Amino acid sequence: AQSVTQLDSQVPVFEEAPVELRCNYSSSVSVYLFWYVQYPNQGLQLLLKYLSGSTLVKGINGFEAEFNKSQTSFHLRKPSVHISDTAEYFCAVIPSGGYQKVTFGIGTKLQVIP
Amino acid sequence: DAGVIQSPRHEVTEMGQEVTLRCKPISGHDYLFWYRQTMMRGLELLIYFNNNVPIDDSGMPEDRFSAKMPNASFSTLKIQPSEPRDSAVYFCASSTQDRVGGYTFGSGTRLTVV
Repeated sequence: AQSVTQLDSQVPVFEEAPVELRCNYSSSVSVYLFWYVQYPNQGLQLLLKYLSGSTLVKGINGFEAEFNKSQTSFHLRKPSVHISDTAEYFCAVIPSGGYQKVTFGIGTKLQVIP
Repeated sequence: DAGVIQSPRHEVTEMGQEVTLRCKPISGHDYLFWYRQTMMRGLELLIYFNNNVPIDDSGMPEDRFSAKMPNASFSTLKIQPSEPRDSAVYFCASSTQDRVGGYTFGSGTRLTVV
């Protein structure tokens, strides 16, 4: 079984400042990792994913994440946030082999302050 | 592709009434998922289908909930009778067999039971 821990439930940050949203996972097998974003009154949208290869992955809207196998982490970063980045962000993990359900974290609300 | 399409976007119903939520997955996706999202419980997986066959319905809260997928392009989630505690946003999502694209979510149905 897998688990995902998003360490911060809310992250306030000033506009144009950098941000890091933390995600740690637990799994006994290799996994695929995802970050989703949910804007108010919308469904979840895929932001970026790590499947294999380069540990630094880039996604939409200037976000990137780094896979760290030794620390079992997949933190999301953006060097300069905009008001429009205000949303909830979900980390998710699924085993790379076979088919099992994806496991979502509880979400981190990013609030960008003007 | 128009993405995952859910209807209706909003539903207000009286306690005891039957509610039917609808979902059209992305063409070619083999898996379909129904999620419920509330402030208190976050994202909960209710049921998922593979090639129109229900695989895991362990998340369905009780017998009042039922889901069907009569063909590859349509699924329904029915609540009968509805109760105020069923008020939530219900999401449908679909994915390919290999899951490398992650899940594609619909915009959700906001259900209010009064």
